[in-house]
Amino acid sequence: GESVGLHLPTLSVQEGDNSIINCAYSNSASDYFIWYKQESGKGPQFIIDIRSNMDKRQGQRVTVLLNKTVKHLSLQIAATQPGDSAVYFCAERGSGNQFYFGTGTSLTVIP
Amino acid sequence: EAEVAQSPRYKITEKSQAVAFWCDPISGHATLYWYRQILGQGPELLVQFQDESVVDDSQLPKDRFSAERLKGVDSTLKIQPAELGDSAMYLCASSLEARARQTQYFGPGTRLLVL
Repeated sequence: GESVGLHLPTLSVQEGDNSIINCAYSNSASDYFIWYKQESGKGPQFIIDIRSNMDKRQGQRVTVLLNKTVKHLSLQIAATQPGDSAVYFCAERGSGNQFYFGTGTSLTVIP
Repeated sequence: EAEVAQSPRYKITEKSQAVAFWCDPISGHATLYWYRQILGQGPELLVQFQDESVVDDSQLPKDRFSAERLKGVDSTLKIQPAELGDSAMYLCASSLEARARQTQYFGPGTRLLVL
């Protein structure tokens, strides 16, 4: 099956700084990607998505970058806040319309 | 805001017992997914429904797991008999359709502990 992995399992940032969470994927045929935020004991919450025909998409305080050449996805969070502390997952949609998730990166925001 | 509903939120059972989880997707969502998430890992797909039909259950341990969505709306995931290794979070998600750029929305999950 597809393999989606994250470069760093944990990330600590100071409140107010920008955060960058990276993700590598293996299936060049994947056409759609989603970033999710998961707080302890809760289900994943949609943050932002991007199609493979785009290389950048912006939301409120978040930006997703897609580099298809190296099969790399990143999530940038501007002015990180304590409420951003959570585990972040990237997910790719494979050829069979299933989503494959990476292990996750735990983001800790230091006040 | 419409949400995916799941129950129970927590379940503790002894091995060899039967357990069942229920999911009610967002109204109008044709596609429903069941995932299992082991602590510290990402969700892994168990089964995917399009309306009442199973479109992918290749990762579902069919000797003990079963899933149904009889009327194409809510769904039940059952484990019988439960084993220690089944302890995990069971997540339900739904989307309008299983097409490109159809976002999945997740429920709060059912945390299962098998003793």
